[in-house]
Amino acid sequence: GAVVSQHPSWVICKSGTSVKIECRSLDFQATTMFWYRQFPKQSLMLMATSNEGSKATYEQGVEKDKFLINHASLTLSTLTVTSAHPEDSSFYICSARVRVTREYGYTFGSGTRLTVV
Amino acid sequence: QKEVEQDPGPLSVPEGAIVSLNCTYSNSAFQYFMWYRQYSRKGPELLMYTYSSGNKEDGRFTAQVDKSSKYISLFIRDSQPSDSATYLCAMSGFGNEKLTFGTGTRLTIIP
Repeated sequence: GAVVSQHPSWVICKSGTSVKIECRSLDFQATTMFWYRQFPKQSLMLMATSNEGSKATYEQGVEKDKFLINHASLTLSTLTVTSAHPEDSSFYICSARVRVTREYGYTFGSGTRLTVV
Repeated sequence: QKEVEQDPGPLSVPEGAIVSLNCTYSNSAFQYFMWYRQYSRKGPELLMYTYSSGNKEDGRFTAQVDKSSKYISLFIRDSQPSDSATYLCAMSGFGNEKLTFGTGTRLTIIP
């Protein structure tokens, strides 16, 4: 089935530094990638939608200068949390819409747990 | 009012019981309905996908969609401890790739 590989699975960084999270589609081309944020015991909140070769579309309230999204190829999308602060600590998950599986749906990465200290 | 409402639980049932999970929604434009299972600190995995109204069965899982009532359900038969996870409903409309998620229901199957 379609797999999205997300790295790193967890990262700890100092306040003020930047962190890059990568999502790769392993056996399909992901023209669109979605980035979510999930707080403990809460549901997924869509942050932005990235389309290959164009600028990402951010949801209301998400700072595009803080959460930089790049989708330079059909198999790679990255999210960079710039000048991270403790309140950015969260679980970040990417997702791609797939048509190659038996069931149409969205496949998710395994998530990245970011802790800013 | 949220677009998608889901009881967060927690829900605990004994092993072997039938589990019923539900979501209601308010947006009549939703046409695609999905159920995801998420284990702790992992990404969601797709369990069931349904288009429009109707039932769909896959092994121990049955998904039901009632668009007239704006109500969807997931049934798990012969529940197993390995089914313990958070279950998220999600939905989207025609021409809209964005998924709208419920808050998730935390389920525990007691051996």
